Amino acid sequence: AQTVTQSQPEMSVQEAETVTLSCTYDTSESDYYLFWYKQPPSRQMILVIRQEAYKQQNATENRFSVNFQKAAKSFSLKISDSQLGDAAMYFCAYRSGYGSSNTGKLIFGQGTTLQVKP
Amino acid sequence: NAGVTQTPKFQVLKTGQSMTLQCAQDMNHEYMSWYRQDPGMGLRLIHYSVGAGITDQGEVPNGYNVSRSTTEDFPLRLLSAAPSQTSVYFCASRKGSGTEAFFGQGTRLTVV
Repeated sequence: AQTVTQSQPEMSVQEAETVTLSCTYDTSESDYYLFWYKQPPSRQMILVIRQEAYKQQNATENRFSVNFQKAAKSFSLKISDSQLGDAAMYFCAYRSGYGSSNTGKLIFGQGTTLQVKP
Repeated sequence: NAGVTQTPKFQVLKTGQSMTLQCAQDMNHEYMSWYRQDPGMGLRLIHYSVGAGITDQGEVPNGYNVSRSTTEDFPLRLLSAAPSQTSVYFCASRKGSGTEAFFGQGTRLTVV
């Protein structure tokens, strides 16, 4: 079975600085997707960034980028130029690829609460 | 475009009561899922469906029932509420060929 682990329950960053959130996962599959979701106090789950396992290039979305280390099964999220609006809980998630019977399921980590200090 | 709509947003139940959490999506998505969110545990899958008439259990299915009679709707039924079911519940949907899952705004359920 696949698992996702976020070992940092809480992180803080100064506004305008850079912070990295860690995520590790365990799987025996070769085809899968990895995601970072943001959950602000409104409770809405917002997709921040996604990475296809078959792509070697790290995904980037504006100030958000990932460091995808497939062999190490590591998927960290880097937030550059942190803004007050980035304060939220962040979840790392895994989903099997299309060849798997598990493809309907998202497996989430425990979450990391990010505080942004002005 | 409404996306994924969950009702109600908040609910308080007494132990032993039953209720149904509603979830509807208007994007013609094949996949629909229910998750519960508990502190320190992330979101855990309760039940999911890959299409109308097809459902399967997730990681924590006990005490919950689902059905999928239409593509649009995927209700979650609590048969006899217990305090352990106090949680925030999310419904999500995804197109079969798509990557991104779309989430409803969640239901905060308290069982007293």
